[in-house]
Amino acid sequence: QQQVKQSPQSLIVQKGGISIINCAYENTAFDYFPWYQQFPGKGPALLIAIRPDVSEKKEGRFTISFNKSAKQFSLHIMDSQPGDSATYFCAASIPQGGSEKLVFGKGMKLTVNP
Amino acid sequence: NAGVTQTPKFQVLKTGQSMTLQCAQDMNHNSMYWYRQDPGMGLRLIYYSASEGTTDKGEVPNGYNVSRLNKREFSLRLESAAPSQTSVYFCATRAFADTQYFGPGTRLTVL
Repeated sequence: QQQVKQSPQSLIVQKGGISIINCAYENTAFDYFPWYQQFPGKGPALLIAIRPDVSEKKEGRFTISFNKSAKQFSLHIMDSQPGDSATYFCAASIPQGGSEKLVFGKGMKLTVNP
Repeated sequence: NAGVTQTPKFQVLKTGQSMTLQCAQDMNHNSMYWYRQDPGMGLRLIYYSASEGTTDKGEVPNGYNVSRLNKREFSLRLESAAPSQTSVYFCATRAFADTQYFGPGTRLTVL
């Protein structure tokens, strides 16, 4: 019930294309769904996040779509650029002991070819 | 502001040796976390500290201990390192109702 399943594991797109990453969860106690971007040799950094009372959130070329009834959410990267080449993690947050715990998907390596 | 700092950046240990990974933050955040990252496994929570003076186990605590020294510092100790603990370790911090901010990581190899 604590798992977050992420797919695909890797993706190669051409510059200007659309990248789509999907995640699914089971635990309805999750109350916050962030996406993290990680470049090689660096720590993950927050890219965009959504709460379950919203079905879509857009920030620049990045959009999260959230389907509460299906327990699924996805990240869309429009007009993908070579600089977007990185590993992307979806996560789900659950309140715990006065703080929160994040459960991460296993990650997806995105390669954007010039 | 340095944000979240971790030391050392790299470390090689022999099986059975001990070491402490250090994490410090200057963001005045209450919560701090330790994760490990392994290929194809995502990030898994080892321990966390909701506030100064408290610590709790995460998903993979076996073989590790932690100390929340003060509000700024949260250390992770390996008492007797094993090859299975070869990983990249990340420290993270969080303010109330905010996201988690990650440090640059410590790459640990246990031979």
